[in-house]
Amino acid sequence: AQSVSQHNHHVILSEAASLELGCNYSYGGTVNLFWYVQYPGQHLQLLLKYFSGDPLVKGIKGFEAEFIKSKFSFNLRKPSVQWSDTAEYFCAVKRSSNTGKLIFGQGTTLQVKP
Amino acid sequence: SQTIHQWPATLVQPVGSPLSLECTVEGTSNPNLYWYRQAAGRGLQLLFYSVGIGQISSEVPQNLSASRPQDRQFILSSKKLLLSDSGFYLCAWSWLGTEAFFGQGTRLTVV
Repeated sequence: AQSVSQHNHHVILSEAASLELGCNYSYGGTVNLFWYVQYPGQHLQLLLKYFSGDPLVKGIKGFEAEFIKSKFSFNLRKPSVQWSDTAEYFCAVKRSSNTGKLIFGQGTTLQVKP
Repeated sequence: SQTIHQWPATLVQPVGSPLSLECTVEGTSNPNLYWYRQAAGRGLQLLFYSVGIGQISSEVPQNLSASRPQDRQFILSSKKLLLSDSGFYLCAWSWLGTEAFFGQGTRLTVV
């Protein structure tokens, strides 16, 4: 069955530290990949997405993610985090077909200390 | 532009009572529709998804059911709520080639 695994459940960083959140999926076919963010008290919003082309994807607020097909991974990165990046981050995978269901990882809570 | 409406925002129901949560999408046709439950530490658990009217796929055995009576309407139901049905429920839609767009969510408390 299709599944998504986020390795880090809770990450604590100081401001200006670099961030990398891991995401692996288990489906072997063509996939669309997403990272969503949920700030405290707010709704889910899209950070970035990958459908095809350049495997290095740039998103909003300085985030980027790299799709490595051979590793079934889509890790999220940011060179220098800010206190305002404190949020919960979700990786999601969707099969590239009209019947593709969208599966989320269990989420990673990021806490950035000022 | 497309919008998604989900209601109610909060709901408190007694154990054993029925449930009906409604989600409608505007500005699009034939979307894929999803119901998720969000729980702390468990991410978004996919409950049901639908690729067309009357077509429902259930992902997790549970006390809930879903229906899609119209192209842009997705309903989450239960005949008799359990305490374990408490949670935050999210409706979402997508197309082939797009991300998912989420509703505001419903906080359900079963007492």
